[in-house]
Amino acid sequence: AQSVTQLGSHVSVSEGALVLLRCNYSSSVPPYLFWYVQYPNQGLQLLLKYTSAATLVKGINGFEAEFKKSETSFHLTKPSAHMSDAAEYFCAVSEGQGGKLIFGQGTELSVKP
Amino acid sequence: GAGVSQSPSNKVTEKGKDVELRCDPISGHTALYWYRQRLGQGLEFLIYFQGNSAPDKSGLPSDRFSAERTGESVSTLTIQRTQQEDSAVYLCASSSSYNEQFFGPGTRLTVL
Repeated sequence: AQSVTQLGSHVSVSEGALVLLRCNYSSSVPPYLFWYVQYPNQGLQLLLKYTSAATLVKGINGFEAEFKKSETSFHLTKPSAHMSDAAEYFCAVSEGQGGKLIFGQGTELSVKP
Repeated sequence: GAGVSQSPSNKVTEKGKDVELRCDPISGHTALYWYRQRLGQGLEFLIYFQGNSAPDKSGLPSDRFSAERTGESVSTLTIQRTQQEDSAVYLCASSSSYNEQFFGPGTRLTVL
């Protein structure tokens, strides 16, 4: 069975600092991996996805994630945090591009001025 | 419409009542998904429709939950005899074949 673990339910960074949100997955087949963002009172929006092409994936708003098979990880990073990045971030895995998503518990990112 | 829409946006009901939640997917999207997001938790998969294939119901938590989809259009999630633990935001998503899932704004269900 597939599963996702997000380390840290809440991460706080200063504006301009590096953002690192951790995600580890478990999958018996080559996974498809996703990061979604949920801004307050808004729906989920896809940030980026890994679908077995390049291991370093670039997404919207300056975010990127690196697929590391040996570590079963797909951590999300952004070099410099902006106040507008404050939101909840969800990592998800599926067995195929069209399959159901299995989500992690989410990480709430706070950005301090 | 431009995106996935869901109705109602909020629903308050009494324990034991039945509720119906509606999802209108993006036109032309063959796949439709229902998820549940309880307060402070991640999203749980409930059910998945893909074209004319039998739906994947593996995430439905009990037989009080059911869902239907008419062709490749509207879907309705029904919860019978609601319980307080059913209180959550119910999210619908749709996708074209093998592409990203687009999520609706959700229906916030409160069971008193």
